[in-house]
Amino acid sequence: VIWVTQSPSLLSASAGDRVTISCRMSQGISTYLAWYRQKPGKAPDLLIYTASTLQSGVPSRFSGSGSGTDFTLTISSLQSEDFATYYCQQYYNFPWTFGPGTKVEIK
Amino acid sequence: QVQLQESGPGLVKPSETLSLTCVVSGGSVSGYYWSWIRQSPGKELEWIGYIYSRGSTSYNPSLKSRVTVSIDTSKNQVSLKLSSATAADTAVYSCARGNPSALGVFDYWGQGALVTVSS
Repeated sequence: VIWVTQSPSLLSASAGDRVTISCRMSQGISTYLAWYRQKPGKAPDLLIYTASTLQSGVPSRFSGSGSGTDFTLTISSLQSEDFATYYCQQYYNFPWTFGPGTKVEIK
Repeated sequence: QVQLQESGPGLVKPSETLSLTCVVSGGSVSGYYWSWIRQSPGKELEWIGYIYSRGSTSYNPSLKSRVTVSIDTSKNQVSLKLSSATAADTAVYSCARGNPSALGVFDYWGQGALVTVSS
């Protein structure tokens, strides 16, 4: 099983801020990594896959980078709808596994 | 717009079988992979398993002995059965569609259904 960690677990920021969330794997996964945003009470939204490919319809303020074991999600200018919880997920090996999430809250 | 809606009993007794259905609207189940994912209170998202529209399946080894995922293309729905339920199976269960460009990536999710296992 590939274990996934995220940091920080909680991030306080203001609208307009640039924020970065990190995701680390217990073993290398090439670029088989996805990022999701989950607003309270809603289903998760796919943001990025293959570490850096933006899902159709996702705003360009979201970007992803990394390969191997270390990955980053960057939001260039935080909008009100971005105050949510973010999850990374590996799909390199079965079982597919998720990180514990990073909650982005209003400072 | 593809929409997924889970439904099923919200309360299941220990040792019984947890059963959920996911109805897909705005698109066909055919040609896609469909997964079930759960999130227990205070725990991480856990992938349960998937089914391809032609019937092939793959399950999380931690649940494999108790899980069955099936598909009914005529009703455009996917189902989950988890046998011998325990309190540890209490969770929000969601169905999700596999991204056709990347197996293992989920591009549409249902809102989820809370299932509590308790006597």
